Formats: sequence, C-alpha cells, structure tokens
Amino acid sequence: DAMVIQNPRYQVTQFGKPVTLSCSQTLNHNVMYWYQQKSSQAPKLLFHYYDKDFNNEADTPDNFQSRRPNTSFCFLDIRSPGLGDAAMYLCATSNQDRRNEKLFFGSGTQLSVL
Amino acid sequence: QKEVEQNSGPLSVPEGAIASLNCTYSDRGSQSFFWYRQYSGKSPELIMSIYSNGDKEDGRFTAQLNKASQYVSLLIRDSQPSDSATYLCAVMRAGNNRKLIWGLGTSLAVNP
Repeated sequence: DAMVIQNPRYQVTQFGKPVTLSCSQTLNHNVMYWYQQKSSQAPKLLFHYYDKDFNNEADTPDNFQSRRPNTSFCFLDIRSPGLGDAAMYLCATSNQDRRNEKLFFGSGTQLSVL
Repeated sequence: QKEVEQNSGPLSVPEGAIASLNCTYSDRGSQSFFWYRQYSGKSPELIMSIYSNGDKEDGRFTAQLNKASQYVSLLIRDSQPSDSATYLCAVMRAGNNRKLIWGLGTSLAVNP
C-alpha cells in the first residue's frame, strides 16, 4: 500500500545531542512537510519542500534543519535538542495543486529529550 | 482573534447520537477546508474536505460550509465509541502566503 513511513516511532535523545528523524513516501507526492505537535496543540509547520525547493517557516528555529535527497525521502535534523523540543514530529505529503492541500501523514516520531 | 477557532471541548455524546463540531475562520478569501481526526498519540487523518458552500456527505460524516458566515462544521451521525478522538479543522489561507492553518481541535467523547 502506498504510504508515508516515519522512523523511528519513538526517539530518545540527550540534551544537546544531535538527532535525525526520517520520512519516506511511496505516494510519489511532490510536496513533503515537517510538523511539530505538542500535547493539546495544533500541528506547527516547520518547513516544507515543493519538489527540491526548500521553504522554511519564519519562526522555525535555526536548530532545525531538513534534507530531501530525492522525491521519496526527507530528513529532519535537530542539531542541539533542548527540553522544549520534546514533541511529536509529523511528516506529511501532498500532491500539490492550486486548490487542494490534502495532507497524508506518517505515523509520527515521538521525541523525548533527557 | 485566531485565524481558525474551535471549541476545545470535550464534547460528550451518547452512542448513536449526532455529534456536531464547529469551526470558524477569519480569512474571507479561504477556499479549501478540511477536517482531520486524531486519536491520542497518533497522527492526523483526513476525513473530509469541502470547497463549496453547502453540505458534503461521506458515509456517517457530513461537512457543512457557509463562506458568508465563515463557518465550517462536521456532523457525525450514529456516533460510535470509535469516533472518540480530537477533530482538527484546517483552512487553506488564500493569497501569496498560502498555507494550511490549523485549529486547536475539539475533543469528542462518545459514551457507550
């Protein structure tokens, strides 16, 4: 089945220790997103790729970086995780057209920072 | 004023009843509206999209859009305990800064 896959499902890291979260998709969608979601909050868009074009949200901290080496894969790098970065990280894809913005989410990675 | 507002709930309904979830938005130019369901600890799942004024039905779900009132709602008929989740309203902001804006979600509890 076509899908969006995130690994790992749970990630524990230490304060200040770099961590990478991964996302892959078999939907062949041209847009990939990274969202951060904390408990009882709405998903917060960190950045997205439209094909190879990277689009950073103005309020995304420099601590967060992303790579998209090809259509299928996208990575979220947190260079120096702080306690406030503990959250669910959601990867999503869409087949962009000017009207629709239907997002297909992966299962998410729950990040804990010790 | 938040761009997308929802009553946080919890909304509690008995099994078999109709659950009504509401969402208001501030951007009059918005054209695309979505309802996502999110179970605790899981990722959001798209359940309905609506683009034109009126009703759109899909199984037990009906989305209603009123652009003049800047209001979109989701009705769940014959509510089941498995419908217990948080329902997120998302609205596509129009114009050059096109972006999906999310509400905080409404928590729904369907009681057996």
